[in-house]
Amino acid sequence: EVQLVESGGGLVQPGGSLRLSCAASGFTFSNYWMTWVRQAPGKGLEWVANIKQDGSENYYVDSLKGRFTISRDNARNSLYLQMNSLRADDTAVYYCARGVFWYSSSPFDYWGQGTLVTVSS
Amino acid sequence: EIVLTQSPGTLSLSPGERATLSCRASQSVTSSYLAWYQQKPGQAPRLLIYGASSRATGIPDRFSGSGSGTDFTLTISRLEPEDFAVYYCQQYGRSPFTFGPGTKVDIK
Repeated sequence: EVQLVESGGGLVQPGGSLRLSCAASGFTFSNYWMTWVRQAPGKGLEWVANIKQDGSENYYVDSLKGRFTISRDNARNSLYLQMNSLRADDTAVYYCARGVFWYSSSPFDYWGQGTLVTVSS
Repeated sequence: EIVLTQSPGTLSLSPGERATLSCRASQSVTSSYLAWYQQKPGQAPRLLIYGASSRATGIPDRFSGSGSGTDFTLTISRLEPEDFAVYYCQQYGRSPFTFGPGTKVDIK
């Protein structure tokens, strides 16, 4: 059974940092592009970033470039999102998701349950 | 960035009725790389349709997608009680892979 389990969310002060993790199981993690998507409370979905199978390529939404970094450790079947200089508008549930196909242009067939990040003083 | 617009914002229907949801893109979507997701409160999104018209694994055939270029439609032929939810379209042909703002289908 495919499972994606996010962790690392919580309350952080504005300007702080947080590192999210996503533990994958039930599939060959190193074969898939992986993605982070976020959802602010009561709002819609926002694609954040994705990363290639071997970590050699990654892409970000323009508004987050320079503050967020996506990475992965295929030996640990884990995906990460390092978030720096956090702002109140980064408050959201953060989901990791798996791409359906082996290439970047792929929808997402499996999602984690999400981890809530709250940025507040 | 490709901007997706969904209409209507809310669709109030009764079980058994047909639902037609629209998604319009600000630019042509590459190779019809357009997906639809369903999301219920407190849950992660669920992939329904990809490639504009292909149903994902396990999705009932009352869900269908159509369209190309800049105009896409999700149709639910006969609403079941479990179909009342928010539906998002997403283009995944050009980074950033943007989502539409969603259409809420609620019970009339």
